[in-house]
Amino acid sequence: GNSVTQMEGPVTLSEEAFLTINCTYTATGYPSLFWYVQYPGEGLQLLLKATKADDKGSNKGFEATYRKETTSFHLEKGSVQVSDSAVYFCALSDQNDYKLSFGAGTTVTVRA
Amino acid sequence: DTAVSQTPKYLVTQMGNDKSIKCEQNLGHDTMYWYKQDSKKFLKIMFSYNNKELIINETVPNRFSPKSPDKAHLNLHINSLELGDSAVYFCASSQGTGRGYTFGSGTRLTVV
Repeated sequence: GNSVTQMEGPVTLSEEAFLTINCTYTATGYPSLFWYVQYPGEGLQLLLKATKADDKGSNKGFEATYRKETTSFHLEKGSVQVSDSAVYFCALSDQNDYKLSFGAGTTVTVRA
Repeated sequence: DTAVSQTPKYLVTQMGNDKSIKCEQNLGHDTMYWYKQDSKKFLKIMFSYNNKELIINETVPNRFSPKSPDKAHLNLHINSLELGDSAVYFCASSQGTGRGYTFGSGTRLTVV
């Protein structure tokens, strides 16, 4: 079956630091890959996505590249802000499946 | 605003009670979902309906019963509430497969 493994947190950074959250996946087909963000007290919001190998998703300064050879979709941001403090979820969805499989989530705290 | 809206946002109730959570989406999506998020932020799918037909029914106690009167609405009824049901419940919707979801803002259920 499909599964997602992401870096355990919590992660604590200073403002303007570089952020990387590792995500690897197992899938039987050719999945679409997603990063969702959950700000405190809110629902999940789609941050970025990639639908095929070598695609790069980007949004709000975050980037992730779909790497089929390493089955990875690592999230990066070059300079984080306090407002980036949130829980980040990596997820995948098979093209033939309605189910979205989530990683365990990584809590990121950015300090001023 | 186009969105997935769920009510109530907070629900505090005693053990043994029966409660319902309602969800509505005006995005025109054909599929809706219920997810449970535990205290460690782990997300677990519970149910999914596609055009009013149940398509995902994970291992969930039969005290939980979803109902979809039309493709824009998906409600969750819980009988005989237990302490372990305390969690945040998220409704979501999608159009087709492999495209990711739009989430509601969640219902925080506390059973005392």
